[in-house]
Amino acid sequence: GAVVSQHPSWVICKSGTSVKIECRSLDFQATTMFWYRQFPKQSLMLMATSNEGSKATYEQGVEKDKFLINHASLTLSTLTVTSAHPEDSSFYICSALKRGGGTGELFFGEGSRLTVL
Amino acid sequence: KNEVEQSPQNLTAQEGEFITINCSYSVGISALHWLQQHPGGGIVSLFMLSSGKKKHGRLIATINIQEKHSSLHITASHPRDSAVYICAGAEGNRDDKIIFGKGTRLHILP
Repeated sequence: GAVVSQHPSWVICKSGTSVKIECRSLDFQATTMFWYRQFPKQSLMLMATSNEGSKATYEQGVEKDKFLINHASLTLSTLTVTSAHPEDSSFYICSALKRGGGTGELFFGEGSRLTVL
Repeated sequence: KNEVEQSPQNLTAQEGEFITINCSYSVGISALHWLQQHPGGGIVSLFMLSSGKKKHGRLIATINIQEKHSSLHITASHPRDSAVYICAGAEGNRDDKIIFGKGTRLHILP
């Protein structure tokens, strides 16, 4: 199957710093990628839909200035958590949509665990 | 009420048992995804289906479009099948509008 890689897989940072998480589709081009947040023992919460070459579409309640998303190429989307605070500590997951005729198929990254001290 | 509902929320079974996880949805979808998330977080896409039935190894997924219902079956379950199973629907004719169920936590006892 297709491969989506996330980096870093875990990161610890101090409160007030910014953290960037990368999501790469390694063997296909993805015009659409998604960013999710997941709290312990809860399901995925969609944060935003990232479209290559255009602004991301954020879900209600997600701060655009807090969670900056850039999808500058067909294989890379980045999520930057700006001025991180302990409440931003979470598991962040990306997925990429692989289209090849018909309904696109979803492939997920391994996730990035962020801990803000 | 969630647009994608899964049942049961939690399931514990003995190794070897036949497992069924159900997913019902109230919106029109073009495709339904079954996902598996192991402890540690990584998510694997198991199936994407829009009609009928798909089989991969011990896993079988079915969907009934008229009844807006899908099931994931695991035959001869094994402790390594322990994971959270999530169904997600691609809403309407859009494959980029995905609605997730809350997941079913499966625990297979040796």
